[in-house]
Amino acid sequence: NAGVMQNPRHLVRRRGQEARLRCSPMKGHSHVYWYRQLPEEGLKFMVYLQKENIIDESGMPKERFSAEFPKEGPSILRIQQVVRGDSAAYFCASSPDGPNYGYTFGSGTRLTVV
Amino acid sequence: QKEVEQNSGPLSVPEGAIASLNCTYSDRGSQSFFWYRQYSGKSPELIMSIYSNGDKEDGRFTAQLNKASQYVSLLIRDSQPSDSATYLCAVNLSGYSTLTFGKGTMLLVSP
Repeated sequence: NAGVMQNPRHLVRRRGQEARLRCSPMKGHSHVYWYRQLPEEGLKFMVYLQKENIIDESGMPKERFSAEFPKEGPSILRIQQVVRGDSAAYFCASSPDGPNYGYTFGSGTRLTVV
Repeated sequence: QKEVEQNSGPLSVPEGAIASLNCTYSDRGSQSFFWYRQYSGKSPELIMSIYSNGDKEDGRFTAQLNKASQYVSLLIRDSQPSDSATYLCAVNLSGYSTLTFGKGTMLLVSP
Protein backbone atom coordinates (compact mmCIF):
# COMPACT_ATOMS: atom_id res chain seq x y z
CA ASN A 1 0.00 0.00 0.00
CA ALA A 2 1.63 3.23 -1.15
CA GLY A 3 -0.77 5.51 0.73
CA VAL A 4 -0.23 7.61 3.84
CA MET A 5 -0.04 5.22 6.77
CA GLN A 6 -1.17 6.27 10.22
CA ASN A 7 -1.16 4.22 13.38
CA PRO A 8 -2.76 3.42 15.60
CA ARG A 9 -6.26 3.83 14.12
CA HIS A 10 -7.77 4.16 17.60
CA LEU A 11 -6.00 5.17 20.78
CA VAL A 12 -7.47 5.37 24.26
CA ARG A 13 -5.55 7.18 26.96
CA ARG A 14 -6.33 8.12 30.54
CA ARG A 15 -6.00 11.74 31.57
CA GLY A 16 -2.36 12.56 32.27
CA GLN A 17 -0.90 9.87 30.01
CA GLU A 18 1.08 10.45 26.84
CA ALA A 19 -0.22 9.83 23.32
CA ARG A 20 2.07 9.08 20.39
CA LEU A 21 0.63 9.19 16.89
CA ARG A 22 2.64 7.95 13.92
CA CYS A 23 2.53 8.85 10.25
CA SER A 24 4.47 7.48 7.30
CA PRO A 25 4.02 9.63 4.17
CA MET A 26 3.35 8.31 0.70
CA LYS A 27 6.40 7.07 -1.16
CA GLY A 28 8.12 10.04 -2.79
CA HIS A 29 6.46 12.58 -0.47
CA SER A 30 8.73 14.54 1.83
CA HIS A 31 6.19 17.06 3.21
CA VAL A 32 4.02 16.04 6.16
CA TYR A 33 1.12 17.93 7.70
CA TRP A 34 -0.86 17.21 10.87
CA TYR A 35 -4.45 18.35 11.28
CA ARG A 36 -6.97 17.89 14.11
CA GLN A 37 -10.70 17.50 13.57
CA LEU A 38 -13.26 17.84 16.33
CA PRO A 39 -16.88 16.68 15.88
CA GLU A 40 -18.91 19.21 13.87
CA GLU A 41 -15.78 21.24 13.19
CA GLY A 42 -13.42 21.56 10.29
CA LEU A 43 -9.86 20.46 9.92
CA LYS A 44 -7.53 22.62 11.96
CA PHE A 45 -3.90 22.85 10.93
CA MET A 46 -1.37 21.94 13.60
CA VAL A 47 2.11 21.52 12.15
CA TYR A 48 3.98 21.18 8.85
CA LEU A 49 7.25 19.24 8.69
CA GLN A 50 9.87 18.10 6.29
CA LYS A 51 12.60 15.61 7.12
CA GLU A 52 14.37 16.82 10.29
CA ASN A 53 12.74 20.26 10.03
CA ILE A 54 9.62 21.93 11.40
CA ILE A 55 8.46 24.32 8.69
CA ASP A 56 5.39 25.78 10.40
CA GLU A 57 4.05 24.99 13.87
CA SER A 58 1.74 27.97 14.16
CA GLY A 59 -1.30 25.76 14.76
CA MET A 60 0.21 23.69 17.51
CA PRO A 61 -0.66 24.44 21.15
CA LYS A 62 2.40 25.82 22.91
CA GLU A 63 2.30 23.32 25.73
CA ARG A 64 2.09 19.51 25.80
CA PHE A 65 2.21 19.09 22.00
CA SER A 66 5.29 18.35 19.93
CA ALA A 67 6.05 16.89 16.51
CA GLU A 68 9.03 15.50 14.71
CA PHE A 69 9.91 13.97 11.37
CA PRO A 70 13.31 12.30 11.78
CA LYS A 71 15.68 11.39 9.00
CA GLU A 72 14.66 7.75 9.38
CA GLY A 73 11.22 6.57 10.37
CA PRO A 74 7.75 8.05 10.57
CA SER A 75 6.60 11.46 11.69
CA ILE A 76 5.46 11.48 15.32
CA LEU A 77 2.88 13.74 16.94
CA ARG A 78 3.29 13.58 20.68
CA ILE A 79 0.76 14.80 23.23
CA GLN A 80 1.91 14.81 26.82
CA GLN A 81 -0.40 14.77 29.86
CA VAL A 82 -3.52 14.37 27.75
CA VAL A 83 -6.79 16.00 28.82
CA ARG A 84 -10.36 15.22 27.72
CA GLY A 85 -10.29 18.17 25.33
CA ASP A 86 -7.57 16.42 23.32
CA SER A 87 -10.10 13.78 22.22
CA ALA A 88 -10.36 14.20 18.44
CA ALA A 89 -9.44 12.70 15.11
CA TYR A 90 -5.87 13.48 14.15
CA PHE A 91 -5.11 13.33 10.44
CA CYS A 92 -1.74 13.26 8.79
CA ALA A 93 -1.34 14.26 5.16
CA SER A 94 1.61 14.30 2.80
CA SER A 95 2.59 15.97 -0.45
CA PRO A 96 5.57 15.79 -2.78
CA ASP A 97 6.27 19.51 -2.86
CA GLY A 98 4.36 21.89 -0.59
CA PRO A 99 0.61 22.49 -0.56
CA ASN A 100 0.16 23.74 -4.12
CA TYR A 101 -0.92 20.39 -5.54
CA GLY A 102 -3.07 19.25 -2.64
CA TYR A 103 -2.50 16.66 0.02
CA THR A 104 -3.13 12.96 0.40
CA PHE A 105 -4.56 12.12 3.80
CA GLY A 106 -4.01 9.08 5.96
CA SER A 107 -6.90 7.25 7.59
CA GLY A 108 -6.44 9.14 10.84
CA THR A 109 -6.00 8.31 14.51
CA ARG A 110 -9.04 8.64 16.73
CA LEU A 111 -7.83 9.64 20.17
CA THR A 112 -10.16 9.18 23.14
CA VAL A 113 -9.13 10.48 26.53
CA VAL A 114 -11.00 8.90 29.44
CA GLN B 1 -7.93 36.77 9.86
CA LYS B 2 -7.81 34.90 6.58
CA GLU B 3 -10.66 32.41 6.28
CA VAL B 4 -12.45 29.90 4.13
CA GLU B 5 -16.24 29.88 4.50
CA GLN B 6 -18.80 27.24 3.60
CA ASN B 7 -22.48 26.78 4.37
CA SER B 8 -22.67 23.84 6.78
CA GLY B 9 -25.90 22.50 5.25
CA PRO B 10 -27.21 19.92 5.02
CA LEU B 11 -27.88 20.40 1.35
CA SER B 12 -30.55 17.93 0.31
CA VAL B 13 -31.05 16.99 -3.35
CA PRO B 14 -32.94 14.16 -5.03
CA GLU B 15 -31.07 11.47 -6.92
CA GLY B 16 -30.23 12.59 -10.44
CA ALA B 17 -30.25 16.30 -9.63
CA ILE B 18 -27.35 18.75 -9.73
CA ALA B 19 -25.80 19.55 -6.36
CA SER B 20 -24.13 22.94 -6.06
CA LEU B 21 -21.65 23.52 -3.25
CA ASN B 22 -20.16 26.93 -2.59
CA CYS B 23 -17.10 28.33 -0.88
CA THR B 24 -15.78 31.85 -0.32
CA TYR B 25 -12.33 32.83 0.82
CA SER B 26 -10.95 35.98 2.30
CA ASP B 27 -7.63 36.45 0.50
CA ARG B 28 -7.56 37.79 -3.05
CA GLY B 29 -4.00 36.57 -3.62
CA SER B 30 -4.83 32.88 -3.14
CA GLN B 31 -3.68 30.64 -5.99
CA SER B 32 -4.64 27.00 -5.30
CA PHE B 33 -8.10 25.64 -4.57
CA PHE B 34 -9.24 22.15 -3.74
CA TRP B 35 -12.38 20.15 -3.00
CA TYR B 36 -12.22 17.16 -0.70
CA ARG B 37 -14.95 14.63 0.06
CA GLN B 38 -15.20 13.14 3.53
CA TYR B 39 -17.52 10.28 4.37
CA SER B 40 -18.61 9.96 7.99
CA GLY B 41 -15.83 8.45 10.08
CA LYS B 42 -13.37 8.46 7.19
CA SER B 43 -10.51 10.68 6.06
CA PRO B 44 -10.77 13.46 3.45
CA GLU B 45 -10.25 12.44 -0.18
CA LEU B 46 -9.10 14.91 -2.84
CA ILE B 47 -11.62 15.06 -5.69
CA MET B 48 -10.85 18.29 -7.57
CA SER B 49 -8.21 20.97 -7.83
CA ILE B 50 -8.46 24.28 -9.69
CA TYR B 51 -5.93 27.03 -10.18
CA SER B 52 -7.29 29.48 -12.79
CA ASN B 53 -10.56 31.28 -13.37
CA GLY B 54 -13.29 29.35 -15.11
CA ASP B 55 -14.55 25.80 -15.07
CA LYS B 56 -12.73 22.50 -14.73
CA GLU B 57 -14.63 19.29 -15.40
CA ASP B 58 -13.83 15.76 -14.28
CA GLY B 59 -16.55 13.21 -14.89
CA ARG B 60 -19.67 14.26 -12.98
CA PHE B 61 -17.76 16.95 -11.08
CA THR B 62 -17.17 20.54 -12.20
CA ALA B 63 -15.16 23.03 -10.17
CA GLN B 64 -15.73 26.73 -10.86
CA LEU B 65 -13.37 29.51 -9.78
CA ASN B 66 -13.93 33.26 -9.78
CA LYS B 67 -10.94 34.97 -8.23
CA ALA B 68 -12.41 38.48 -8.58
CA SER B 69 -15.38 37.43 -6.44
CA GLN B 70 -13.21 35.18 -4.24
CA TYR B 71 -15.58 32.32 -4.86
CA VAL B 72 -15.10 28.66 -5.73
CA SER B 73 -17.86 26.13 -6.27
CA LEU B 74 -18.33 22.43 -6.95
CA LEU B 75 -21.14 21.08 -9.10
CA ILE B 76 -22.07 17.42 -8.97
CA ARG B 77 -24.22 16.31 -11.89
CA ASP B 78 -26.52 13.29 -11.75
CA SER B 79 -26.14 13.11 -7.97
CA GLN B 80 -26.14 9.61 -6.47
CA PRO B 81 -26.87 8.49 -2.90
CA SER B 82 -23.20 7.46 -2.73
CA ASP B 83 -22.31 11.16 -3.10
CA SER B 84 -23.80 11.79 0.34
CA ALA B 85 -20.83 13.08 2.34
CA THR B 86 -19.30 16.26 3.68
CA TYR B 87 -17.48 18.33 1.07
CA LEU B 88 -14.54 20.39 2.26
CA CYS B 89 -13.20 23.40 0.44
CA ALA B 90 -9.47 24.02 0.89
CA VAL B 91 -7.45 27.05 -0.16
CA ASN B 92 -3.76 27.80 -0.16
CA LEU B 93 -4.18 31.33 1.20
CA SER B 94 -1.34 33.65 0.31
CA GLY B 95 1.24 34.00 3.04
CA TYR B 96 0.31 30.63 4.47
CA SER B 97 2.48 27.56 4.06
CA THR B 98 -0.41 25.10 4.26
CA LEU B 99 -4.00 24.56 3.15
CA THR B 100 -6.81 26.22 5.09
CA PHE B 101 -10.02 24.21 5.17
CA GLY B 102 -13.62 25.34 5.45
CA LYS B 103 -15.86 23.55 7.92
CA GLY B 104 -17.52 21.63 5.12
CA THR B 105 -20.99 21.29 3.63
CA MET B 106 -22.94 18.11 4.25
CA LEU B 107 -24.66 16.80 1.11
CA LEU B 108 -27.57 14.38 1.35
CA VAL B 109 -28.77 12.71 -1.85
CA SER B 110 -32.10 10.97 -1.45
CA PRO B 111 -33.08 7.98 -3.66
